[in-house]
Amino acid sequence: QSALTQPASVSGSPGQSITISCTGTSSDVGSYNLVSWYQQHPGKAPKLMIYEGSKRPSGVSNRFSGSKSGNTASLTISGLQAEDEADYYCCSYAGSSLNWVFGGGTKLTVL
Amino acid sequence: EVQLVQSGAEVKKPGESLKISCKGSGYSFTSYWIGWVRQMPGKGLEWMGIIYPGDSDTRYSPSFQGQVTISADKSISTAYLQWSSLKASDTAMYYCARRGYDILTGYHNYYMDVWGKGTTVTVSS
Repeated sequence: QSALTQPASVSGSPGQSITISCTGTSSDVGSYNLVSWYQQHPGKAPKLMIYEGSKRPSGVSNRFSGSKSGNTASLTISGLQAEDEADYYCCSYAGSSLNWVFGGGTKLTVL
Repeated sequence: EVQLVQSGAEVKKPGESLKISCKGSGYSFTSYWIGWVRQMPGKGLEWMGIIYPGDSDTRYSPSFQGQVTISADKSISTAYLQWSSLKASDTAMYYCARRGYDILTGYHNYYMDVWGKGTTVTVSS
């Protein structure tokens, strides 16, 4: 099973908005509205930021939002802040007996 | 506080066996699936597999089937990831993560809501 496709890097200035795409197939992203997004700072464990495509866990800033169209999911971060600089991973349920697939990760740089 | 506490860093030689652990606390360990995720140095996250400690139902990613063994001991709220014969390519950080679960509805969600801090495994001759 192939990893979901994310851009290797994105960047933005403080206050701006950025969007990270995550492209899968009709077997994963396209079949289920079960994409989650994780933030990972260097040397730290991943942290859940978005689940079921667009829902935010308690405590996650509303500057983070998610969406999906067809086989592509997206994470948008508005009002960029320095602390948002991190790696971001999408993850989709892929069926087939409780299997998940991650994206390759996107490094966000806040200029 | 809900947490997953993972065992410490390991340095092993090729061919050796290894079992790392992930202890859950602050919640009903037997009600939540526990997954394992690999992160090779400088690389992304990879899904390895998942176990339900309540009945030890275990599922593996096709990429890791036969390469590792996932198990759990519910009496001590601990999940394990083990190798029978390590390779240099097993060098990585390994995270355990709890699958979300709604206690009120009994619905198991499709995301990982709590993560351990990771266990570094280094395999080198």
